[in-house]
Amino acid sequence: EAGVAQSPRYKIIEKRQSVAFWCNPISGHATLYWYQQILGQGPKLLIQFQNNGVVDDSQLPKDRFSAERLKGVDSTLKIQPAKLEDSAVYLCASSRNPSGVATDTQYFGPGTRLTVL
Amino acid sequence: GIQVEQSPPDLILQEGANSTLRCNFSDSVNNLQWFHQNPWGQLINLFYIPSGTKQNGRLSATTVATERYSLLYISSSQTTDSGVYFCAVYNAGGTSYGKLTFGQGTILTVHP
Repeated sequence: EAGVAQSPRYKIIEKRQSVAFWCNPISGHATLYWYQQILGQGPKLLIQFQNNGVVDDSQLPKDRFSAERLKGVDSTLKIQPAKLEDSAVYLCASSRNPSGVATDTQYFGPGTRLTVL
Repeated sequence: GIQVEQSPPDLILQEGANSTLRCNFSDSVNNLQWFHQNPWGQLINLFYIPSGTKQNGRLSATTVATERYSLLYISSSQTTDSGVYFCAVYNAGGTSYGKLTFGQGTILTVHP
């Protein structure tokens, strides 16, 4: 079984530029998550999709971050415009559970390391 | 929200030594997972353990849900065990969808 795929693996941009990350979850997994991991901290959930609907985006800075999951499979996370404090690793995860409380094991992709100069 | 505290923050071992990592959480949980983040940043799920004890090779984990803590045991440590170990808990808080909250991690370094 293929794991969660993410691209690009690394991205360096200047502040005020825009950037987009892509995630392909494990086949058949209904739930997809985007996390932000700042150096020295644990991952923090930004947004959670159940199929192609958003169930939690309470910690997403909506003035600059946006995310979508078309057709309930792949997802993109966009930052526009980027700030210095957005430098972090952006992790995508997926879990199998199609509905209800998501107590399933979450499987993580390799992450995208973003550096904002 | 729920608080997750891990200890110790850093741990340095000689190869072959045993260790215990602790995770305390502030509220009842539906789910607890232990992860290992390797030096390349990949998060690997080690255990899904909301309660009880599980073992997988040299690793084992115990969660005492009533006392709100979990322990991860590493026996006969190897250099490949180095990395950051995270505890993450899921609390639905009475709603249909909760979130996985991570601790700050324990940085483990195993020397040959």
